[in-house]
Order: sequence, then C-alpha cells, then structure tokens
Amino acid sequence: GAVVSQHPSRVICKSGTSVKIECRSLDFQATTMFWYRQFPKKSLMLMATSNEGSKATYEQGVEKDKFLINHASLTLSTLTVTSAHPEDSSFYICSAPGMVAKNIQYFGAGTRLSVL
Amino acid sequence: AQTVTQSQPEMSVQEAETVTLSCTYDTSESDYYLFWYKQPPSRQMILVIRQEAYKQQNATENRFSVNFQKAAKSFSLKISDSQLGDAAMYFCAYRSSKGPNSKLTFGKGITLSVRP
Repeated sequence: GAVVSQHPSRVICKSGTSVKIECRSLDFQATTMFWYRQFPKKSLMLMATSNEGSKATYEQGVEKDKFLINHASLTLSTLTVTSAHPEDSSFYICSAPGMVAKNIQYFGAGTRLSVL
Repeated sequence: AQTVTQSQPEMSVQEAETVTLSCTYDTSESDYYLFWYKQPPSRQMILVIRQEAYKQQNATENRFSVNFQKAAKSFSLKISDSQLGDAAMYFCAYRSSKGPNSKLTFGKGITLSVRP
C-alpha cells in the first residue's frame, strides 16, 4: 500500500516559536493532503485540505494565519504552527488519498507537539 | 453535511470472543464509501475495512466483517476471535464519492479493550 511519512514524530518547543511539520507521500503523488488535529481519546478533527499549487482550504474555525500550510510539490505538504502557545499542544496527523485507490486515505504516523 | 455517530464510547470483549461495534451515519448521497479505522496506542491510523455503498455484499477482511444496512444507514464492525492486539480505538468514517479528493468524516470513536 501507499506510505505517508510524517516528520518529526515528536517536538517540544518554547511558547512563541514556530514549528514545521512535514508530510510526504513516499511512493506516490498526492495533489491533495489533509491535516488533522487530535486531542487525547478524541476523534480526528480536520483542520485543512492542502492543495498542490494552490491555497489550502481551511475548515471553519481554524486560523489560517496560525496554521500555515504549503503544498510545494506533489509529494510534500508542510504545516507550520506559528507563534505556538501551550493551547496548540496536540497530536497532528496528515493523510493523503492513494493514487490507485483514491477512495482510501493513507495516514502519517502523527506528530506530538508540546508547547512549553 | 454528512455526520457519523458512534454512540458507544467504550466496549470490552473477552479474548477469542466476538464483538460488534456500532456506527450510524447520515447523508443525502446515494453513492459513498464507509470505513473502519483502527488507532492503537502508537496512534498510527490503520485501515481495517472499507465498504462501497453501491455494493450490497458486506465487506470482510479475515476476522473483520461489516454489517452494512444502507436503508438504515448503519455500518457495524464485527470482530471475531478477538485478540489482545485488537485493543485500540476504532473510528467509523464516511467519504463522499464525489471527487477524487473528498475528505473523510469521522465518528467520535470507540475504545475497545480485550480481556485475556
């Protein structure tokens, strides 16, 4: 099956700094990727849809200036949490639809962000 | 907008026994996809099984099978011969068939524990 690589798996940063999370489709191209946020024991909340070559589509209530998304190539999307604060601490997951089976989403392993 | 409901927050099953996880959804579309994802303690999302709405036959994958009732908008997951490794959070998800990059809508999830 298709593989989605997400990096880093864990990041600890100071309040006020920016953190970049990368999501790569390793053996397929992804014109679209999805970014989710998940709190402990809760469901995945879609934050935005990343589109290669165009602006990301953000879900209602998600601050686009806070969570910058860049889909620079057909295999890479990045999520930058700008001026991070403790309330941004969470688990962030990316996913991409497969090339052959586009109805299946393949997920990265997630990034645990802790803001001190 | 589509919604996915998982009303049971937790369930427990004895090892080697069978357990059924419930899921209902609401949609006005006639063609769509339904999924069950497993999230173990590692938090990596793993696809367990999928169902195309236009197929009447229930999907099966080894010990996992679904009971898809389209008219009732119900999509339950049956796990047979439960194993300790089945302990995880399980999410039911819906995806529209419109467009190759449609987003997933998740239920709240259910935590399954397996008693040895």
